[in-house]
Amino acid sequence: AQSVTQLDSHVSVSEGTPVLLRCNYSSSYSPSLFWYVQHPNKGLQLLLKYTSAATLVKGINGFEAEFKKSETSFHLTKPSAHMSDAAEYFCVVAPFSGNTPLVFGKGTRLSVIA
Amino acid sequence: NAGVTQTPKFRILKIGQSMTLQCTQDMNHNYMYWYRQDPGMGLKLIYYSVGAGITDKGEVPNGYNVSRSTTEDFPLRLELAAPSQTSVYFCASSRGGQTNTEAFFGQGTRLTVV
Repeated sequence: AQSVTQLDSHVSVSEGTPVLLRCNYSSSYSPSLFWYVQHPNKGLQLLLKYTSAATLVKGINGFEAEFKKSETSFHLTKPSAHMSDAAEYFCVVAPFSGNTPLVFGKGTRLSVIA
Repeated sequence: NAGVTQTPKFRILKIGQSMTLQCTQDMNHNYMYWYRQDPGMGLKLIYYSVGAGITDKGEVPNGYNVSRSTTEDFPLRLELAAPSQTSVYFCASSRGGQTNTEAFFGQGTRLTVV
């Protein structure tokens, strides 16, 4: 069975400093992995996705994530946080086999301090 | 291209009333999902469907029903509304299959049961 663990429920950074949101996954197969962002009172927007191509994936708004199979990790990073990055972030695994739904992590709330 | 459309955006129900949350997608996706999100929490899967005529329970199906008569539509039915069903409901769709892809989300329905 697939699972996703977001290691931090809340991360707080100062504006202009790096962001690291951690995600570990468990999957019997090579998974597809995604990061979504949810701003307050909004829907979920895809930030980036990994689907077995390049292990370093670039997304929107300067975010990127690196797939590390040996560590079963897919951490999300950004070199310099902006106030507008304050939001909830979800790591998601989509299993390789069919007829199985997406699995969401519990989310990490990112706060950005001016 | 509208993507995933949910209606209504907001609704207040009295205890014991029933209602249907509508969801339609125009991307010809096989997979559709219903999630609920309680304040400060992640997403919990209610029901999902891997194709027309096929539905399956997710993590929290009690008190809900779904149907999938067409590829495009996946309505969620609440038969006897209870205060515990106060939540934000998100519908999503994805291509699914052997190579799963990202899910596209609707903007959500904010439901209050009083």
